[in-house]
Amino acid sequence: NAGVTQTPKFRVLKTGQSMTLLCAQDMNHEYMYWYRQDPGMGLRLIHYSVGEGTTAKGEVPDGYNVSRLKKQNFLLGLESAAPSQTSVYFCASSYSGTGGEQYFGPGTRLTVT
Amino acid sequence: GEDVEQSLFLSVREGDSSVINCTYTDSSSTYLYWYKQEPGAGLQLLTYIFSNMDMKQDQRLTVLLNKKDKHLSLRIADTQTGDSAIYFCAEKGGQNFVFGPGTRLSVLP
Repeated sequence: NAGVTQTPKFRVLKTGQSMTLLCAQDMNHEYMYWYRQDPGMGLRLIHYSVGEGTTAKGEVPDGYNVSRLKKQNFLLGLESAAPSQTSVYFCASSYSGTGGEQYFGPGTRLTVT
Repeated sequence: GEDVEQSLFLSVREGDSSVINCTYTDSSSTYLYWYKQEPGAGLQLLTYIFSNMDMKQDQRLTVLLNKKDKHLSLRIADTQTGDSAIYFCAEKGGQNFVFGPGTRLSVLP
């Protein structure tokens, strides 16, 4: 099992450019999550999905869109990147239900200049 | 909303015990977690405790939960240099997890 994988690992964007981050999991998990990690702030939930074809907003959804067309993939899109979106982005997945451990990807470091 | 707090830094000497503390606000939390993040990597679950437990021990790790004070701690016995990392406390009441800011543990030789 590869677990949770993310592509790309690093990216530099100019303000106003767009990009899509891809998350894939091979554990047949129902739930998938996108977080951003900023120094001293822990992880903040951007969007999440409780199953194929569903998405929901998290704590900091503005400026991001997501899609879950296939159960194993969760895409995070930035339509018009801003310097405030410079961060490390982590994808995670888990089984549904209470107590489901989250499995994390290795992260994508995004810099917006 | 829910909030999870931790001190940001902790330094200990190799071989000593480390105690990382966490406070949370959501009294309906059913599970509380400790994750470890090594440089350049994602988070990895270390251990978790169900809210009706007071203590859980797993090899060198001891988790203590004081539900009345909403205080969670992680004790690492015989701390080694390989334990240097950022440790995140997290709670889960409903569908989503709420993470603390992380405590950076430095282990000095």
